[in-house]
Parts: sequence; C-alpha cells; structure tokens
Amino acid sequence: SQQGEEDPQALSIQEGENATMNCSYKTSINNLQWYRQNSGRGLVHLILIRSNEREKHSGRLRVTLDTSKKSSSLLITASRAADTASYFCATDVRDNYQLIWGAGTKLIIKP
Amino acid sequence: DGGITQSPKYLFRKEGQNVTLSCEQNLNHDAMYWYRQDPGQGLRLIYYSQIVNDFQKGDIAEGYSVSREKKESFPLTVTSAQKNPTAFYLCASDPGQGAYTEAFFGQGTRLTVV
Repeated sequence: SQQGEEDPQALSIQEGENATMNCSYKTSINNLQWYRQNSGRGLVHLILIRSNEREKHSGRLRVTLDTSKKSSSLLITASRAADTASYFCATDVRDNYQLIWGAGTKLIIKP
Repeated sequence: DGGITQSPKYLFRKEGQNVTLSCEQNLNHDAMYWYRQDPGQGLRLIYYSQIVNDFQKGDIAEGYSVSREKKESFPLTVTSAQKNPTAFYLCASDPGQGAYTEAFFGQGTRLTVV
C-alpha cells in the first residue's frame, strides 16, 4: 500500500538551479528515506532521516522532516545533468517492517 | 563486493508460461523483497521474507509465487495466473526486523509478454 505522495510528479529545471521535492505520508514512522532511480535501473539509497531528526545533509542533498505535518522535503542544490532521475520517498512504519513507497518525482535537469 | 544480483536483465514470456526471476544477495541480510514497477509508477510490494523458510504476501501477490530456502536467494515465479505480467521487477534486501536502515536494490528484470 502506498502512503507516501511526492509532489510535484515531474520537475524540469536548468542546470545549476536548486530542485525541491516534497513527500507527504499518513501514519507514524520510524524513519523516512529518499532513493534515486535512473531510467531502467534499480533504486539507490540517498539519505535516511529518523523520526526524531528534523534536518539532515549529505553533500548537495538536504532533507527536512516535519512529523507534525507528516511531510518531508528533499533539496538538491546546484543541480547537474547527472541528477536527472526519478526520486522516491519511502517510509519505515512503526510496527510494520516494510518500506512504503510514494509514486516518485521525475526530475529533469536541462543543460 | 557485497551486493544484490538479479537475473536475467530482460525476460520474455509467452502466454501461459511460468517464468522465474532470480535474486541473490551476499550482504547477509535477513529480509528480502520483491516489487513490481509499472511505467511512471512507484513500487508495489509482491512478496517479502523476513527469515529463511518464511515469506508473506504483499499488496499484489496474486499470480506470483516465491520461495526462501536459503538466506541468500529469493526467486520469484510469475505464473500463468498473472494476467498482466509485463513490468519491471525489483528485488531488494535489508538487515531485517528492527534494523531501520536502508534497503539495497538489484538492477531489475524487465519482463515482457510476447
């Protein structure tokens, strides 16, 4: 079952600009994870933020988590053509050992 | 190098045939998962296994079967009962219950009905 919803569904920006994607979810979570999928490939883990954390950084990635609003955002700064991919959020739900996935945001970086 | 390997990369199935997708991991993970992805969609869970010799149905298990005889292996059979099997299939693993860590994915198998 899907509980995460990404917004927007698609995003096209110029190289060098920042890209922001949002994820909303419905139930209490242990953590929230972001993954990247290049076309026709498997998913690659980007970053995990625990329910007691509010912000996390990894290189050009910044993730925020607002548990009161049940939402998270992924910011990619200074975008590059290689960032073109689909980005998915996944929630690790309390008392359930599965990840629950959103439908993803398709990001296109224009040179 | 540790990782998760899916084979084949591309698979073609005739109407009425059963086909089996392979998934092997050498990460010593307890939990393994099979997902189906349709174009422009997210991941839908088919089956998962938290321990050897045990597995559970996911959201879309009808027409699929799995086994978990070894910790390293979690093959998925797409049976003739699955009426619309054309999709991208992804296998994943993680350390298991209570670990709350990232999942590792294979590169996927693209199944096409011919």
